[in-house]
Amino acid sequence: NAGVTQTPKFQVLKTGQSMTLQCAQDMNHNSMYWYRQDPGMGLRLIYYSASEGTTDKGEVPNGYNVSRLNKREFSLRLESAAPSQTSVYFCASRAQSRVPGELFFGEGSRLTVL
Amino acid sequence: AQSVTQLGSHVSVSEGALVLLRCNYSSSVPPYLFWYVQYPNQGLQLLLKYTSAATLVKGINGFEAEFKKSETSFHLTKPSAHMSDAAEYFCAVSSPGGSGGGADGLTFGKGTHLIIQP
Repeated sequence: NAGVTQTPKFQVLKTGQSMTLQCAQDMNHNSMYWYRQDPGMGLRLIYYSASEGTTDKGEVPNGYNVSRLNKREFSLRLESAAPSQTSVYFCASRAQSRVPGELFFGEGSRLTVL
Repeated sequence: AQSVTQLGSHVSVSEGALVLLRCNYSSSVPPYLFWYVQYPNQGLQLLLKYTSAATLVKGINGFEAEFKKSETSFHLTKPSAHMSDAAEYFCAVSSPGGSGGGADGLTFGKGTHLIIQP
C-alpha cells in the first residue's frame, strides 16, 4: 500500500517561479487536504477538498491554487513563489468512515524559495 | 474559536523514564482529540484518538492519553521511554462545523519535540 504519495520531495525555486506539488492517494478516500508546516507554527491548512469536484480555502490560502483532478489526485500550485512560501508541505486524506480529523499524511514536500 | 496549547516546545527525558506531554484545548462543542507523531523527515502518523467513548485512550507504541473535560486536557503519557520515541508530537482538536480549519474543523498545536537521553 502506497497510501498518500507526494512529488517532488524536494524543490528549490527562485522568487517569481511557478510550480505544482502533486498528491495522489490509493485508499479511495473522499477528502483530501494540503497543509504547510513551519517551525514553531504547527500545521496550517491551505486548501481542502471534501469530495471530487469541490475545493475550499483553509486558514492560509493566499498565494496558492488547487485542483482536485479526480478522486485520487489533489494538486497544489504556486503561481509566483515568494520566500514566505518556503516550508514543508503535506498532503493528507481521510476516509468517509473515519472521524473528522483522522487523517493519513504523505511524507512531505520540502520547498525552498530563494 | 477552538485552540490547542502544547506546554513545552521541547521535552527531554531519560531512556526508561516516564514520558508526559501536555495538551490543553478549548472548544465550544464536544471535541474529537488526537495525538499525531512525526518522526524525522517523515509525515505525521496517528498515535491515538478520543471520540467520546472511553476517556482513557490507548494508542500505538505503548502511548496513552486521558481526556479530562473538567481540565480541558488531553495529556499524552508513556510509562517507559525508548530511544525510538524521539520525535515531534502534535496534539489536535476537531469539532466539525466549528471554527477550525476546513470541513473537519481540525486545529493543531504547535508541537512538542521529545528528546530521549541515553
